[in-house]
Amino acid sequence: GDSVTQMEGPVTLSEEAFLTINCTYTATGYPSLFWYVQYPGEGLQLLLKATKADDKGSNKGFEATYRKETTSFHLEKGSVQVSDSAVYFCALGTGSNAGNMLTFGGGTRLMVKP
Amino acid sequence: DTEVTQTPKHLVMGMTNKKSLKCEQHMGHRAMYWYKQKAKKPPELMFVYSYEKLSINESVPSRFSPECPNSSLLNLHLHALQPEDSALYLCASSQDLRDSPLHFGNGTRLTVT
Repeated sequence: GDSVTQMEGPVTLSEEAFLTINCTYTATGYPSLFWYVQYPGEGLQLLLKATKADDKGSNKGFEATYRKETTSFHLEKGSVQVSDSAVYFCALGTGSNAGNMLTFGGGTRLMVKP
Repeated sequence: DTEVTQTPKHLVMGMTNKKSLKCEQHMGHRAMYWYKQKAKKPPELMFVYSYEKLSINESVPSRFSPECPNSSLLNLHLHALQPEDSALYLCASSQDLRDSPLHFGNGTRLTVT
């Protein structure tokens, strides 16, 4: 079945450091890939997405590229801020007539210190 | 601000109570979802409604009963829950059933005593 593997956290960085959160997936077919972010006490917010190989999703300084050859969708940001502290979920979506089924990775907690 | 609104934000209920969680969206989305999230875990899919019909039930116990009165509303009726059902319950919606990202509400934090 489909699965998503993320690097385990927590990841602790200083402000303005470079961020990489690794995500790899196993899927049949051609899934869409997503990064969601969850701030404390809130639901999940879509951060970025990519729907086909070599697509790059970007938002708020975060980027991720859909790499079919390495089955990866790593999240990067050049300079993190304290406000980026949250839990980040990588997910793949296999849409069907029944629903857009999301398979989530385990989540990676990011802590950014001033 | 989230465009998917869930009420209540917090709910404490006993094991013999009956309560309902409510979810509303006005984005014209035709698919709506219930997820359950335990602490420090990813969300787990419970139910999917597409065009107001139940399309997926992920083997959820019958003490959870979903209802979709119209395309904007989604309810989750709770009865005879167990303490292990305590979790964050998230509602989501998507524009269609393929490739569309899900938009999540902020959830209802449920505690079963």
